[in-house]
Amino acid sequence: AQSVTQLGSHVSVSEGALVLLRCNYSSSVPPYLFWYVQYPNQGLQLLLKYTSAATLVKGINGFEAEFKKSETSFHLTKPSAHMSDAAEYFCAVWTGGFKTIFGAGTRLFVKA
Amino acid sequence: KAGVTQTPRYLIKTRGQQVTLSCSPISGHRSVSWYQQTPGQGLQFLFEYFSETQRNKGNFPGRFSGRQFSNSRSEMNVSTLELGDSALYLCASSLRQDQNTGELFFGEGSRLTVL
Repeated sequence: AQSVTQLGSHVSVSEGALVLLRCNYSSSVPPYLFWYVQYPNQGLQLLLKYTSAATLVKGINGFEAEFKKSETSFHLTKPSAHMSDAAEYFCAVWTGGFKTIFGAGTRLFVKA
Repeated sequence: KAGVTQTPRYLIKTRGQQVTLSCSPISGHRSVSWYQQTPGQGLQFLFEYFSETQRNKGNFPGRFSGRQFSNSRSEMNVSTLELGDSALYLCASSLRQDQNTGELFFGEGSRLTVL
């Protein structure tokens, strides 16, 4: 069975600082991995996805993530935080079939 | 292309009542998943339908049920509502076909408050 662990339910950074949101997964087969973002009172939207084509994945709004099989990690980064990045971020894993598993989410706060 | 549409967006019910939520997927998507989102439990998988058949189910009591119609629209029903059912219910559609990457497209959710 697959699972996702997001380290830190809340992360606070200053505007312009590096954003690092951590995600570790467990899967018995090669996974597809995703990061989604949720703004207040909205559904989730896809930031980026890993589909085995390249280990470093670039997404929207300057975010990127690196798939590290040896560490079973898929951490999300952004070099410089912007106030508009404040939101909740979810890591997810899919191994085919009919179920996507989400992590508990990390709420990102950006201080001026 | 229109996105995923969920109705109603907000609703208030009392304990013991039942509720039906609707989800219209993106045109061409045959899979619809439902999730319950609460502050304490995060995103919990309810079930996923594909081609009118429930393909997977999460760990929820039988009070939670769903169905999918031939046009891929889906409904979920919660009977005998409890206070703990207050949540944001999210619907997501996907292709779920061969060579698909599994990306989910979410609606804005239906926020249910049980009093």
